[in-house]
Amino acid sequence: KNQVEQSPQSLIILEGKNCTLQCNYTVSPFSNLRWYKQDTGRGPVSLTIMTFSENTKSNGRYTATLDADTKQSSLHITASQLSDSASYICVVSARSDYKLSFGAGTTVTVRA
Amino acid sequence: EAGVAQSPRYKIIEKRQSVAFWCNPISGHATLYWYQQILGQGPKLLIQFQNNGVVDDSQLPKDRFSAERLKGVDSTLKIQPAKLEDSAVYLCASSLYVQGNTGELFFGEGSRLTVL
Repeated sequence: KNQVEQSPQSLIILEGKNCTLQCNYTVSPFSNLRWYKQDTGRGPVSLTIMTFSENTKSNGRYTATLDADTKQSSLHITASQLSDSASYICVVSARSDYKLSFGAGTTVTVRA
Repeated sequence: EAGVAQSPRYKIIEKRQSVAFWCNPISGHATLYWYQQILGQGPKLLIQFQNNGVVDDSQLPKDRFSAERLKGVDSTLKIQPAKLEDSAVYLCASSLYVQGNTGELFFGEGSRLTVL
């Protein structure tokens, strides 16, 4: 069964600090991996989409990495801001049927 | 460009009542998805449409949930009768059709359902 596991479940950081979120998956064969940001009470918004051949992709202060061999991805937030407080969801697409497998998300709280 | 529109944003009903949610996808997006997101969990696919045809409804509880996408544009999701465990946010998403892949998903704001 295709699964996506995210860690930690939640974290609290001080404004200006960096943090890294983890995503491990068992989806196979792999097509692409996506990171979404979901603000409280809003729909998810795409941050990055990475294919097999991409190791790193940035979107402003967000940098995603992908290791397709170990089936791991990380999302690094640099110089966090209060507006980064949200849930971050990892989503993996299978090349066989292109179905999307969602992680449960990591809730990030940035405090002043 | 207008995003995915959903309504209502909030709905409170008693168990055994019915409810309907509406979604208008981004213009030109052939693929439309309905997801159920329970608090603290990731979205779970309920149904996927390609134009007005159903691609995947394997996780849709068909005894109480129904969805349609007439004319391949707007879509409605109905729950009848509602159960307590249906309390969740119902997200609609749309994407362009991409041959041999899943396009980038654009989500609506969601419809939050509370069943009492």
